[in-house]
Amino acid sequence: RKEVEQDPGPFNVPEGATVAFNCTYSNSASQSFFWYRQDCRKEPKLLMSVYSSGNEDGRFTAQLNRASQYISLLIRDSKLSDSATYLCVVGLSGSSNTGKLIFGQGTTLQVKP
Amino acid sequence: NAGVTQTPKFRVLKTGQSMTLLCAQDMNHEYMYWYRQDPGMGLRLIHYSVGEGTTAKGEVPDGYNVSRLKKQNFLLGLESAAPSQTSVYFCATRENTDTQYFGPGTRLTVL
Repeated sequence: RKEVEQDPGPFNVPEGATVAFNCTYSNSASQSFFWYRQDCRKEPKLLMSVYSSGNEDGRFTAQLNRASQYISLLIRDSKLSDSATYLCVVGLSGSSNTGKLIFGQGTTLQVKP
Repeated sequence: NAGVTQTPKFRVLKTGQSMTLLCAQDMNHEYMYWYRQDPGMGLRLIHYSVGEGTTAKGEVPDGYNVSRLKKQNFLLGLESAAPSQTSVYFCATRENTDTQYFGPGTRLTVL
């Protein structure tokens, strides 16, 4: 079983649609959670951190459910420029923190005109 | 301020050849990481460093060596390249938070 699992998609949606991605993680000791965005043939870039209380950044909303070990990303009013692969990322923190992150394989989003 | 840079951007090797990938950062970050990314696998950690002069193994270290002689540079070496090492290699750095900043990647093909 992969430590971080995502549906690879692709998700094909029209402009203006709302789309949601989900991710599950296996290590209950995980302490930090992120969504990264990766454009084709480019490096991953941080989209947003994910907090237990949920957080929003413009059209993007991220949620964390520690009990279910589940992370979500909601994109409202999709734009063509949102087309990319979205990586769910989990990290362990603590006194021996080496900053290692575990990456999901990514979910591909294609927004169509 | 260039952030994280990687050289070379592309390389084609023959089986058995050696090469070194260079990652350089100007952000004064302590932590540096080398990942490989393969289709359907996500990013996998090869080696990492928590500071100048230190290195440690990640998830897939076999066939690779690293060195961190200077804080700003993290080198990844392939002593005898194999076709299984065909991949895209990303370097990343991190400061005190868990956020990692990635370089643009090196596309390596081993024939």
